[in-house]
Amino acid sequence: EMQLLESGGELVQPGGSLRLSCAASDFRFSNYAMSWVRQAPGKGLEWVASISGSGAYTFYADSVKGRFTVSRDNSRNTLYLEMDSLRAEDTALYYCAKDPLFDSSGYYFYWYFDLWGRGTLVTVSS
Amino acid sequence: DIQMTQSPSSLSASVGDRVTITCRASQDISHYLAWYQQRPGKIPRLLIYAASTLQSGVPSRFSGSGSGTDFTLTINSLQPEDVATYYCQKYHSAPPLTFGGGTKVEIK
Repeated sequence: EMQLLESGGELVQPGGSLRLSCAASDFRFSNYAMSWVRQAPGKGLEWVASISGSGAYTFYADSVKGRFTVSRDNSRNTLYLEMDSLRAEDTALYYCAKDPLFDSSGYYFYWYFDLWGRGTLVTVSS
Repeated sequence: DIQMTQSPSSLSASVGDRVTITCRASQDISHYLAWYQQRPGKIPRLLIYAASTLQSGVPSRFSGSGSGTDFTLTINSLQPEDVATYYCQKYHSAPPLTFGGGTKVEIK
């Protein structure tokens, strides 16, 4: 069964850094674009960042641009989100999510999500 | 950026009722719209993509319609397991991707 499992979330001070991981299983990870979507406590969904299957293309929400970096290691079937200069408003449950397009070139997206992980909680507070 | 507005923000209906949720885009997004269901304490689940295509495994009581700026998610014959918050998401001219604010559906 296809699965995504996030890890790395924890309590961090404002201005601090954190790296989230998302381990994928039971699908050809390198052929799918992946994204991070977050949900602040009691709030709605917010897209954070996306990366193409090859890793060549990355995209960010304005709210995190310049502070967050999305990357992937296709040999390890793992997606990452490096988070720097964290702010209180970054407090959220961070989900990784899979694009439904099987893309042999590793460059394209459908830009919606057919598989979600369970999320990892990031809390930014002093 | 294109904004997505859902209405109502919450609703209460009886089991067996037909429920309609609306999502409006601030610009024409053609048919590039997805709907997700998030049950309490659970992860989001894709229900519909391309405005009206039902994702595999989703019960047929769910349907989507619309194009351009106005879209609808309909639940025919509401069931107890449909208690959830429903989100629309536009993917026209992505990125950015934008979600609606959500509609919370409860049983009366």
